[in-house]
Amino acid sequence: KAGVTQTPRYLIKTRGQQVTLSCSPISGHRSVSWYQQTPGQGLQFLFEYFSETQRNKGNFPGRFSGRQFSNSRSEMNVSTLELGDSALYLCASSLYGSGANVLTFGAGSRLTVL
Amino acid sequence: DQQVKQNSPSLSVQEGRISILNCDYTNSMFDYFLWYKKYPAEGPTFLISISSIKDKNEDGRFTVFLNKSAKHLSLHIVPSQPGDSAVYFCAARSASSGTYKYIFGTGTRLKVLA
Repeated sequence: KAGVTQTPRYLIKTRGQQVTLSCSPISGHRSVSWYQQTPGQGLQFLFEYFSETQRNKGNFPGRFSGRQFSNSRSEMNVSTLELGDSALYLCASSLYGSGANVLTFGAGSRLTVL
Repeated sequence: DQQVKQNSPSLSVQEGRISILNCDYTNSMFDYFLWYKKYPAEGPTFLISISSIKDKNEDGRFTVFLNKSAKHLSLHIVPSQPGDSAVYFCAARSASSGTYKYIFGTGTRLKVLA
């Protein structure tokens, strides 16, 4: 069973640019969540999608957006990049509805903003 | 406002001894708690969880304790092995209107010395 796949794994952008990250969840998982990991801040929740609908949103500016497609794949977009957006962006999928709702993470997309 | 706190950024333990990682939370409505382990260049992997109706859960060398009155969670690893060296994140789940949100701590880097 394939795990959560995130692309690209690494990317470098400059301030002001925008970036799109992709996440393919485990087959059958309908919930996809996005997290930002930075040193000292742990994993900060960005948003969660279920059946193409955003169900939860963290405290990030509107420059951060996402969407989910009918096949449960998800993308997140960051516009007008700032230096502080440099981070590891993690996607996690879950069955949603099962008791434990354990999140399964991908390896992440490491974004560097210059 | 950090609802889930891991106050020790790092911990070193001798191989074969016990590792104790701690986590404090502020929201008494959290209903589920999880521990994740993260190696460099990989996504976090699920380790063990505990429901808020329990106070202990064991899985092999790993035991999680929950003290609801103190709003404190701890992970015990016995015996510790060099392969356990990783960053450990605790996470708490809040449920609202049928949706779930996971709040992660900032992580504790465990180093097991051979």
